[in-house]
Amino acid sequence: KNQVEQSPQSLIILEGKNCTLQCNYTVSPFSNLRWYKQDTGRGPVSLTIMTFSENTKSNGRYTATLDADTKQSSLHITASQLSDSASYICVVTSDDPDKLIFGTGTRLQVFP
Amino acid sequence: DTEVTQTPKHLVMGMTNKKSLKCEQHMGHRAMYWYKQKAKKPPELMFVYSYEKLSINESVPSRFSPECPNSSLLNLHLHALQPEDSALYLCASSQGGSYNEQFFGPGTRLTVL
Repeated sequence: KNQVEQSPQSLIILEGKNCTLQCNYTVSPFSNLRWYKQDTGRGPVSLTIMTFSENTKSNGRYTATLDADTKQSSLHITASQLSDSASYICVVTSDDPDKLIFGTGTRLQVFP
Repeated sequence: DTEVTQTPKHLVMGMTNKKSLKCEQHMGHRAMYWYKQKAKKPPELMFVYSYEKLSINESVPSRFSPECPNSSLLNLHLHALQPEDSALYLCASSQGGSYNEQFFGPGTRLTVL
């Protein structure tokens, strides 16, 4: 069964600190992996996308990594800001591009 | 314009009411989607329209009725809902293909009394 699991479920950090969120997937066939940011009560917004051949992708203070051999991805946030408080969802695309496989999400709270 | 808009932002309805959610995109995308999202859960796919035709229905109860009047608009008609249908309803659109992003709207927060 295709599954995407994320850890931790929730995370609290202080402003300015770095953090890393984890995503493990068992999806076959694998097409690509995206990290989405979702503010409370809003729709998800894509941060990065990686295909099988890419192992790192950056978007400002967000850096995603992908290890296709171990089927793991991480999202590293540098110098966190209050506006980073949100849920971060790892999403994998398999053979049907219309059926995204969503992870369980990590709820990040950044405090001053 | 890289925006998906949804109206209304909030909706409160009784179990006997009929209401509609609306979604609009002007990016020329060929696919549009409805998702349901409960609190602290990931979005769940409900329907997919591809080139204005219903291509996926994820066994959604008939009290939810989607409609795609044209390539830019997507509606979700609601009738005889249950309190457990209260959720955030998200619309998304995409150019299609596995590499193309699904752009999500801000959602409609639905409460069924």
